[in-house]
Amino acid sequence: DTAVSQTPKYLVTQMGNDKSIKCEQNLGHDTMYWYKQDSKKFLKIMFSYNNKELIINETVPNRFSPKSPDKAHLNLHINSLELGDSAVYFCASSQNIKNNEQFFGPGTRLTVL
Amino acid sequence: QKEVEQDPGPLSVPEGAIVSLNCTYSNSAFQYFMWYRQYSRKGPELLMYTYSSGNKEDGRFTAQVDKSSKYISLFIRDSQPSDSATYLCAMRGGSTLGRLYFGRGTQLTVWP
Repeated sequence: DTAVSQTPKYLVTQMGNDKSIKCEQNLGHDTMYWYKQDSKKFLKIMFSYNNKELIINETVPNRFSPKSPDKAHLNLHINSLELGDSAVYFCASSQNIKNNEQFFGPGTRLTVL
Repeated sequence: QKEVEQDPGPLSVPEGAIVSLNCTYSNSAFQYFMWYRQYSRKGPELLMYTYSSGNKEDGRFTAQVDKSSKYISLFIRDSQPSDSATYLCAMRGGSTLGRLYFGRGTQLTVWP
């Protein structure tokens, strides 16, 4: 009965590869997010979707492309992976766009070699 | 200058101590202030939430907001080893719907 789940939990890959991270929430929330947490624990928002519509698109390379097939899912596809992409990626959801409580998934630890 | 500044620590205290965690911010439009707790290898979870200035208490935890100084605090009384985690402050303005600005977190260890 996990609220926000992500797969995979760990991802180790070579530079230049393309990879995807999947996120699902079973809370019935309208809004979902992708965050990147670097090695210094700094958590920064990348994207946010509200009812499948992109509402926040921070300055991230266009190698990163989010996709929301429905309200419960928000996937992140990364093309041409670079060393600097190594980080922990967190998916989160909130009841709606105004709600301050965001529920985070367990994170996906991405290592690019 | 980052929007939200937070001393990363680490902070190490004995069990039973009072812990004070702080953040400063530069954007006067911030109105909602939160503290998230993140255990090692887990996602952050909301601990406390305050709107505008003032205090809020929840058990051993007290959150304070001083908007005039752009300064927020989290106090933990009677700290326990189970409080050992990274504490992240987060905040947003009234119009920045959904966009939270996080501090980089303070790593706290409470030793028995």
